[in-house]
Amino acid sequence: DTGVSQDPRHKITKRGQNVTFRCDPISEHNRLYWYRQTLGQGPEFLTYFQNEAQLEKSRLLSDRFSAERPKGSFSTLEIQRTEQGDSAMYLCASSPNTGHSKTEAFFGQGTRLTVV
Amino acid sequence: AQTVTQSQPEMSVQEAETVTLSCTYDTSESDYYLFWYKQPPSRQMILVIRQEAYKQQNATENRFSVNFQKAAKSFSLKISDSQLGDAAMYFCAYLVEEGGSEKLVFGKGTKLTVNP
Repeated sequence: DTGVSQDPRHKITKRGQNVTFRCDPISEHNRLYWYRQTLGQGPEFLTYFQNEAQLEKSRLLSDRFSAERPKGSFSTLEIQRTEQGDSAMYLCASSPNTGHSKTEAFFGQGTRLTVV
Repeated sequence: AQTVTQSQPEMSVQEAETVTLSCTYDTSESDYYLFWYKQPPSRQMILVIRQEAYKQQNATENRFSVNFQKAAKSFSLKISDSQLGDAAMYFCAYLVEEGGSEKLVFGKGTKLTVNP
């Protein structure tokens, strides 16, 4: 297992365009999270999936943002009509659901979005 | 709402010396989990150490240890025998579990520089 994988690693887009990011969690991890990290800040929670169910969405996730996790495997995060304020690192993390391990999140390397 | 505060934006340490990174948090819960994560430049975030609030004993992981003061809501990280590879951003985080969901609340981070 190679860990949490995110694609693409970098994305430059023009304002107003739609973008979609993909996250492949560690296999058999049923918990999946998306965070956003801006320069000089810690990651901020965006949304949480347990299997295919999206159990929580942050207020940071405006109507332009949508996340899915079909079949409880990989997840996608789509941003419609991108704005310059969307420029950030988007981090995906996953965790298992057994014992103490459920509290450790494994992070991907992130997708860095630049909106120009 | 739970908050995490890291009051040291930057710290530096000489190789082989010891450094302590500070973290305070706010919560009304009695049982919870705290974490220190390390984020090297351009690499994914990895877990350094974890503390469960109901455990009075401070967690240790090789050269890394914590000073957990529950009453003071303080959770500092001590790195002994610092190595060049310890240079990174360090984030303190609190695990929020509510309503079937869970998420990490991060501090703003401390940038650690290790001088040879």
